[in-house]
Amino acid sequence: QKEVEQNSGPLSVPEGAIASLNCTYSDRGSQSFFWYRQYSGKSPELIMSIYSNGDKEDGRFTAQLNKASQYVSLLIRDSQPSDSATYLCAVNVNYGGSQGNLIFGKGTKLSVKP
Amino acid sequence: KAGVTQTPRYLIKTRGQQVTLSCSPISGHRSVSWYQQTPGQGLQFLFEYFSETQRNKGNFPGRFSGRQFSNSRSEMNVSTLELGDSALYLCASGSGSTQYFGPGTRLTVL
Repeated sequence: QKEVEQNSGPLSVPEGAIASLNCTYSDRGSQSFFWYRQYSGKSPELIMSIYSNGDKEDGRFTAQLNKASQYVSLLIRDSQPSDSATYLCAVNVNYGGSQGNLIFGKGTKLSVKP
Repeated sequence: KAGVTQTPRYLIKTRGQQVTLSCSPISGHRSVSWYQQTPGQGLQFLFEYFSETQRNKGNFPGRFSGRQFSNSRSEMNVSTLELGDSALYLCASGSGSTQYFGPGTRLTVL
């Protein structure tokens, strides 16, 4: 059973702080890793993708991947109240050419306090 | 570029009925995947279509089915609805393994 685990939270950080979100996955064959943000009542929005070990930065967001430890993280610098949402970690295992099968964690609810 | 569109946005059905949901992917995307999201189970993969062929299927009963048309638009059907089918149904349009979600269809089964 392929699994993606996240702390459900809520994770509460003050405005301007760094929010750190973590995710572990069970299948070593996983090849692509994604972070989605989902506001209440809305659909998931892709914010970061990462495919190789190391860090990937995009604005205030940094994704980190460690395949040996089967660990993915998302750092949000200078957190804003508008970052308050549920963050979903998703992993793709490309079996037989199928790239459209993402396995999701249950999500971490982030609350940024003004 | 227009995003993924899904219709209808909201549906209310009763147990035993069937329902068809529609999804139009981002222009140029040939892969469409469907997911079910519930508070208890989170986001779960239903199936993926690519060039009118089902490429992968999740662990859902046969009451859940889908298809894809030559223009990449996709439909999913749920027959003999059960109360537990109440959920947000999300369609995702894919470019490689990167997927972009539509707004979803909120299905309520009474």
